[in-house]
Amino acid sequence: AQKITQTQPGMFVQEKEAVTLDCTYDTSDQSYGLFWYKQPSSGEMIFLIYQGSYDEQNATEGRYSLNFQKARKSANLVISASQLGDSAMYFCAMSLLPRSNDYKLSFGAGTTVTVRA
Amino acid sequence: KAGVTQTPRYLIKTRGQQVTLSCSPISGHRSVSWYQQTPGQGLQFLFEYFSETQRNKGNFPGRFSGRQFSNSRSEMNVSTLELGDSALYLCASRRAGGSYGYTFGSGTRLTVV
Repeated sequence: AQKITQTQPGMFVQEKEAVTLDCTYDTSDQSYGLFWYKQPSSGEMIFLIYQGSYDEQNATEGRYSLNFQKARKSANLVISASQLGDSAMYFCAMSLLPRSNDYKLSFGAGTTVTVRA
Repeated sequence: KAGVTQTPRYLIKTRGQQVTLSCSPISGHRSVSWYQQTPGQGLQFLFEYFSETQRNKGNFPGRFSGRQFSNSRSEMNVSTLELGDSALYLCASRRAGGSYGYTFGSGTRLTVV
């Protein structure tokens, strides 16, 4: 079974500053994918970034980057130049890769980010 | 291109009733998964369908069931509703093979009174 841990229930960040959201995971599988999703108050889960366990480079998508440290089993999300619209709940998630037919996502408890003007 | 569509957005039901939620995936996506989100338990996997077959199931009682149609649209049903079933139910679709991205709908917020 996979377990995702997000230890920061809530964070405040000043507009235009960077913020790092922590995520650690636990799995005995070697092939897995790590995801970050954003959930605004409207409820929709918005995909932000993906990192495969065999990817050597850290993933980046615009202002989002994933700091992947495989040996430490951590996959922290960095949001650069925070904007007011970044205020939301952020979830780290993991799934085993398709070869296992086990496609479900296991989610962490989430981190609430509030961006201050 | 249209995203994942869930209907209805909000629903209020009485304890003991049953409810059916609908999910239309992105065109071309054959895998549909359902998740329950509550403040206490967080996001929990319910089940996943692929080509009309349930391929994976989470740890939920038999009152929770689902199905997928030939056009990949999916429904989930909860019978004999309990107060604890009040939650946001999220549907996610993904394309088989290649991309590993899951695209979620806006969810159905179910309140059981």
